[in-house]
Amino acid sequence: DVKVTQSSRYLVKRTGEKVFLECVQDMDHENMFWYRQDPGLGLRLIYFSYDVKMKEKGDIPEGYSVSREKKERFSLILESASTNQTSMYLCASVSPLTGFYEQYFGPGTRLTVT
Amino acid sequence: SQKIEQNSEALNIQEGKTATLTCNYTNYSPAYLQWYRQDPGRGPVFLLLIRENEKEKRKERLKVTFDTTLKQSLFHITASQPADSATYLCALPPLTSGTYKYIFGTGTRLKVLA
Repeated sequence: DVKVTQSSRYLVKRTGEKVFLECVQDMDHENMFWYRQDPGLGLRLIYFSYDVKMKEKGDIPEGYSVSREKKERFSLILESASTNQTSMYLCASVSPLTGFYEQYFGPGTRLTVT
Repeated sequence: SQKIEQNSEALNIQEGKTATLTCNYTNYSPAYLQWYRQDPGRGPVFLLLIRENEKEKRKERLKVTFDTTLKQSLFHITASQPADSATYLCALPPLTSGTYKYIFGTGTRLKVLA
């Protein structure tokens, strides 16, 4: 089974701190995603990566950056955390080779910025 | 723009009954549609994919229909159990081939009462 893990389940940070969220998948998937999920807004794509060192902005990239130095690892960086970035962050991976494009999600990181 | 709608109100049903969840979409003709299950505080888990040329898809107690004329998918859980209580999300594939911006609904929360 595909396993997607995220570095923390819960995180509390102060405004202005630099925050790193890490995601690792073990199925050699090419494509990885970072979403945030807020009540009533659903899943919103922050960034995705289709290969090592390759990235594309999603719908809400402002205030975030990403890094993908190895195929299995995709990091989300909050350059200067703000209270409006308090949210559930979900990482996902997918491989077009499966033919079905279903996304495999990690358990999520509940980030609180105070 | 493309829009996907799920009933945001929670659905409460008695154990043993059939639960029916609705996913409507506009301004889009997707090649397939997906359903995910999400438990509180966890990432979504892929359940089923139905293609545009399939009217119905089944997996154990789950059944999904896809009406491309009505632009609607129905998700049924037969003989529902309290363990089926969760939020169910529908998702559409990226509008443009080669991009990875999946479109997720906000989900419908199902509660099965014992």
